[in-house]
Amino acid sequence: GAGVSQSPSNKVTEKGKDVELRCDPISGHTALYWYRQRLGQGLEFLIYFQGNSAPDKSGLPSDRFSAERTGESVSTLTIQRTQQEDSAVYLCASTLTLGGTDTQYFGPGTRLTVL
Amino acid sequence: GQSLEQPSEVTAVEGAIVQINCTYQTSGFYGLSWYQQHDGGAPTFLSYNALDGLEETGRFSSFLSRSDSYGYLLLQELQMKDSASYFCAVLSGGYNKLIFGAGTRLAVHP
Repeated sequence: GAGVSQSPSNKVTEKGKDVELRCDPISGHTALYWYRQRLGQGLEFLIYFQGNSAPDKSGLPSDRFSAERTGESVSTLTIQRTQQEDSAVYLCASTLTLGGTDTQYFGPGTRLTVL
Repeated sequence: GQSLEQPSEVTAVEGAIVQINCTYQTSGFYGLSWYQQHDGGAPTFLSYNALDGLEETGRFSSFLSRSDSYGYLLLQELQMKDSASYFCAVLSGGYNKLIFGAGTRLAVHP
């Protein structure tokens, strides 16, 4: 596709439910990143993928968060037993290559609201 | 720890020039990036400085001083459409790991 796409655009869920967020990176982009952005704040790095490998998971807030990626394609971020503090916009970005200074292209994000 | 400091809000009028400063303290540093984000939109890349000095791209310029751990984004000939949040971000790892500041909300008035 022309850009990074994410689905759903909005997700409202009840506390304790599991949610799955999807990211489709730009075709051919090797690296993929997940960020979280709370209202009025900057972006928090969560995890990145090189291909389908995730060498750095240091930003994942807790073991309720997990992510996977199929090859150099779709990635899913799963949040289990959601809590109200998980409410945020979850942004995905991709770059053509890993390393260097390639521009990160961001998707429109998924706005998650946990009631 | 790792931190980036930038003003929370800046207000200016159309046609004016505004400078948004960013100071950083990070464990690794490859360069300083700036991103623009309109309300409800995705961050979009504006500029990147790896070396000291000024980089100019149209109405926007970005400056870096590595010795001072400081940079700024300069926006000239402000337009209403420039109203947005601007984030500085340090490229901290060899795999494009970005550490973001909290953002500066720019409001441009007629």
